[in-house]
Amino acid sequence: QKEVEQNSGPLSVPEGAIASLNCTYSDRGSQSFFWYRQYSGKSPELIMFIYSNGDKEDGRFTAQLNKASQYVSLLIRDSQPSDSATYLCAARPASGGSYIPTFGRGTSLIVHP
Amino acid sequence: ETGVTQSPTHLIKTRGQQVTLRCSSQSGHNTVSWYQQALGQGPQFIFQYYREEENGRGNFPPRFSGLQFPNYSSELNVNALELDDSALYLCASSRGQGDTEAFFGQGTRLTVV
Repeated sequence: QKEVEQNSGPLSVPEGAIASLNCTYSDRGSQSFFWYRQYSGKSPELIMFIYSNGDKEDGRFTAQLNKASQYVSLLIRDSQPSDSATYLCAARPASGGSYIPTFGRGTSLIVHP
Repeated sequence: ETGVTQSPTHLIKTRGQQVTLRCSSQSGHNTVSWYQQALGQGPQFIFQYYREEENGRGNFPPRFSGLQFPNYSSELNVNALELDDSALYLCASSRGQGDTEAFFGQGTRLTVV
């Protein structure tokens, strides 16, 4: 059973702080990892993906991957109230035909002014 | 806004009925994946269609079936609806099976009473 685990939260941070969201995965065959943001009642939107160990930065967002520890994280710098949403982590294998991703249940982030 | 559209946006059905949900993929995308997202959970993979062929299936019973058409739009059919089928149904389209960017439609909220 492939699993992606996330703390459901909520994680509450003040505006301007760094929000740190974490995710672990069970399938060592996972090769690509995705972070999606989902506002309440809306569909997920892709923030970024990562497939190499280390850090990947895109604006205020940094994804970190440690395959040895089977750990993925997302850092949000200078958090804004508009960042308040549920953040979904997904892991996907590199092969297997359909590249089926497994999603975690998401972490709720609240950024308060 | 992505170029992926789903219809209808909301639907109420009675237990035992059948339902068809529709998804128009983004231009240039030949792969459509369907997900079920229960309240407070991450999306669960139902199946994927690639160039009109089913290309992978998650842990869902046969009463969940689908189609993909030559224009790459897709349908999800659910027979003999059960109360637990109440969820947000999402479709995501991508340029290919291994494409790292899958764009979600806005979802169909299905309520079974």
